[in-house]
Amino acid sequence: AQSVTQLDSQVPVFEEAPVELRCNYSSSVSVYLFWYVQYPNQGLQLLLKYLSGSTLVKGINGFEAEFNKSQTSFHLRKPSVHISDTAEYFCAVISLIQGAQKLVFGQGTRLTINP
Amino acid sequence: EPEVTQTPSHQVTQMGQEVILRCVPISNHLYFYWYRQILGQKVEFLVSFYNNEISEKSEIFDDQFSVERPDGSNFTLKIRSTKLEDSAMYFCATPARTYGYTFGSGTRLTVV
Repeated sequence: AQSVTQLDSQVPVFEEAPVELRCNYSSSVSVYLFWYVQYPNQGLQLLLKYLSGSTLVKGINGFEAEFNKSQTSFHLRKPSVHISDTAEYFCAVISLIQGAQKLVFGQGTRLTINP
Repeated sequence: EPEVTQTPSHQVTQMGQEVILRCVPISNHLYFYWYRQILGQKVEFLVSFYNNEISEKSEIFDDQFSVERPDGSNFTLKIRSTKLEDSAMYFCATPARTYGYTFGSGTRLTVV
């Protein structure tokens, strides 16, 4: 079975500073990888996803993530954060086995941007 | 217009009461999913529903839970006898156009 580990439960960052949210996964088969964002009192919104091809994927709001197969990681980065980026961020994975489309989430990382 | 609409947005119920959470996708999907998020915790898989049958369910999805597609266009999650620990955000989801899911805005269930 696949699993996702987000190494940091909380990340405080000053505005305009860079940020990296870490995500590692485990799976015995190939996977698709996702980052979702949850703003306060809202639902889950897709930030970006890796399906195949270039290992560096760009998403909305200036975020990007890099898939590293050897390290089984999919860390999320942004070069300069804004107050509005304050939210919970979830890494998630779908394993590519027939019939199994279940999305498995990590524990989430709460990103807090301080002025 | 959201692709997946959930109602109600917030429901308060007494312990032991039955609740029905509803979800309406814009497109006609065969696959459908329910997830739960207890306050401050991770998003947990409950059940997947394919072609009017449960295709997979988690340990959380015990006999108190059931899913239905009552009229072909909307999906429901029923909790027969709610417990305090059922208090959570419940999300429904459908497959997105190119993998991943599109989530509804969620129903916040509060059991008192």
